[in-house]
Amino acid sequence: AQSVTQLDSQVPVFEEAPVELRCNYSSSVSVYLFWYVQYPNQGLQLLLKYLSGSTLVKGINGFEAEFNKSQTSFHLRKPSVHISDTAEYFCAVSGGQGGSEKLVFGKGTKLTVNP
Amino acid sequence: DGGITQSPKYLFRKEGQNVTLSCEQNLNHDAMYWYRQDPGQGLRLIYYSQIVNDFQKGDIAEGYSVSREKKESFPLTVTSAQKNPTAFYLCASRGLYAGEQYFGPGTRLTVT
Repeated sequence: AQSVTQLDSQVPVFEEAPVELRCNYSSSVSVYLFWYVQYPNQGLQLLLKYLSGSTLVKGINGFEAEFNKSQTSFHLRKPSVHISDTAEYFCAVSGGQGGSEKLVFGKGTKLTVNP
Repeated sequence: DGGITQSPKYLFRKEGQNVTLSCEQNLNHDAMYWYRQDPGQGLRLIYYSQIVNDFQKGDIAEGYSVSREKKESFPLTVTSAQKNPTAFYLCASRGLYAGEQYFGPGTRLTVT
């Protein structure tokens, strides 16, 4: 079965510092990859997605992610974070053996941006 | 404004009672999903439906039931058979392409 591993459950950083949230997935065939953000007591909002083409994907709020097929990774980055980026971030995958109708989520990474 | 609505935002029930969570979408999406979220567990799929009058079990369907009588609506019933129903429940829908899902604001259910 498809699986997603988010390597860090919590990431604390200072405001204006760069951040990388790591995500690895298990499929050896073509997949679609997503990052979502969740603010407390809210639903999930799509940050960015990789479907095909360029391996560097740009999303909302200044985030970007790089698809690395050989390492089966899709790490999320931001060069300079703000207090307002404090939230939980979820990596998700569809396609591959699991089919495209379902998403498999990682367990999430809580990003805390400190002043 | 197109989107997904879930109601109510907070729901409190006594143990042994069934409770139904509402999910409505006006995105004209065919597929709809229910997830359960617990701290540190990510999102786990309860049920999904790809078309009206059809639905499939997800990874944790026991103790839950759904119906899909209309394209816009996908209510979830948490039955008294669900052993640990207190959680945050999220509804989502999917358009045509590539598995991208759109989420509602969630319902926090507390059963005491």
